[in-house]
Amino acid sequence: LAKTTQPISMDSYEGQEVNITCSHNNIATNDYITWYQQFPSQGPRFIIQGYKTKVTNEVASLFIPADRKSSTLSLPRVSLSDTAVYYCLVGEPDKLIFGTGTRLQVFP
Amino acid sequence: SAVISQKPSRDICQRGTSLTIQCQVDSQVTMMFWYRQQPGQSLTLIATANQGSEATYESGFVIDKFPISRPNLTFSTLTVSNMSPEDSSIYLCSVEGQGPSYEQYFGPGTRLTVT
Repeated sequence: LAKTTQPISMDSYEGQEVNITCSHNNIATNDYITWYQQFPSQGPRFIIQGYKTKVTNEVASLFIPADRKSSTLSLPRVSLSDTAVYYCLVGEPDKLIFGTGTRLQVFP
Repeated sequence: SAVISQKPSRDICQRGTSLTIQCQVDSQVTMMFWYRQQPGQSLTLIATANQGSEATYESGFVIDKFPISRPNLTFSTLTVSNMSPEDSSIYLCSVEGQGPSYEQYFGPGTRLTVT
């Protein structure tokens, strides 16, 4: 299982774009890259998933370089409600191994 | 998406006792998962529960301590047996999604405190 490394915490201000990068140097061929968001006292919520290149949905974008050894979650124009912990997961989709996550704090 | 409920939402238990946590899903799913999240920590997968078969436990978790039932495609229980203060955690169940992405949907969690 590929190990992930991401910043422990990040600060931002409302309206800014936030990019959270995750390193996964030993990603396997069959591994997907998935990001989850967790608010206090709630279960994690799926944000986005990708295998290669770029994926975009209504919430975020996921950028994956050709070597797939890292990925970047991009949150456009964050608001206070985006304050949460963001987890980068790499592996087979039906076996989620959570890392330490990035605690994002958004300030007004 | 799936809607998942858990009971109880929280409990305070004495050491040496057992607590059974229920997980109910609003649709039929093949795979259900149980996680533990210790205070201030990330989530750790305890086991995977498929209907009609024995649960598959991750390293560090055993059936005697965390017996799991999966009687049908919408329900599962996790029992935390012979509890100690170290078992104080949030216990979450999740299910696999039905869409093209292999997302999982999580319940709200059960906050357990063992005194």
